[in-house]
Amino acid sequence: GDSVTQMEGPVTLSEEAFLTINCTYTATGYPSLFWYVQYPGEGLQLLLKATKADDKGSNKGFEATYRKETTSFHLEKGSVQVSDSAVYFCALIWAGNMLTFGGGTRLMVKP
Amino acid sequence: EAEVAQSPRYKITEKSQAVAFWCDPISGHATLYWYRQILGQGPELLVQFQDESVVDDSQLPKDRFSAERLKGVDSTLKIQPAELGDSAMYLCASSLGSMLDEQYFGPGTRLTVT
Repeated sequence: GDSVTQMEGPVTLSEEAFLTINCTYTATGYPSLFWYVQYPGEGLQLLLKATKADDKGSNKGFEATYRKETTSFHLEKGSVQVSDSAVYFCALIWAGNMLTFGGGTRLMVKP
Repeated sequence: EAEVAQSPRYKITEKSQAVAFWCDPISGHATLYWYRQILGQGPELLVQFQDESVVDDSQLPKDRFSAERLKGVDSTLKIQPAELGDSAMYLCASSLGSMLDEQYFGPGTRLTVT
């Protein structure tokens, strides 16, 4: 079945450091890919998405490129802030199937 | 900005008791989802409604879990009897229509079964 694998956390960075959170997927078709963010005490929010190969999703300084050849959708940000501390989930969906999430990666940014 | 509302935010119950969670989706959203998120894991879909009809409940443990959306608006998820392994965050989400539409999540109900 479809699945998403994320790098395990926590990822601890200093403010203004470069962020990469790896995400790879397995799917029988060509899924749409998403990154969701969950701040402490809140529900999940859609951060960015890409619906086809080579698409780049971007929002709030975060970017991710849909790489069909490596089945990856890595999340990047050039300069993280303390306010970016949260749990990040990679997810996929295609056809009529359900939204499938990875296990989440906790990011902690220190001042 | 419209939001998905859930209550209660926190619930502590003893095993074998009944517990219920409520969700009010964003107005006009036809599709409603209930997810379970075990600590340290991603959310897993329990049930999906399209208006008042269940579209997918294949992951819902039907011996103890039930869900309804009688008027196609708000929804209730019930567990009876609760078990220790049910301790988790229960998330509700809604979207305009299809699974490809963006899902908007509520803040969740954190359930602890003792």
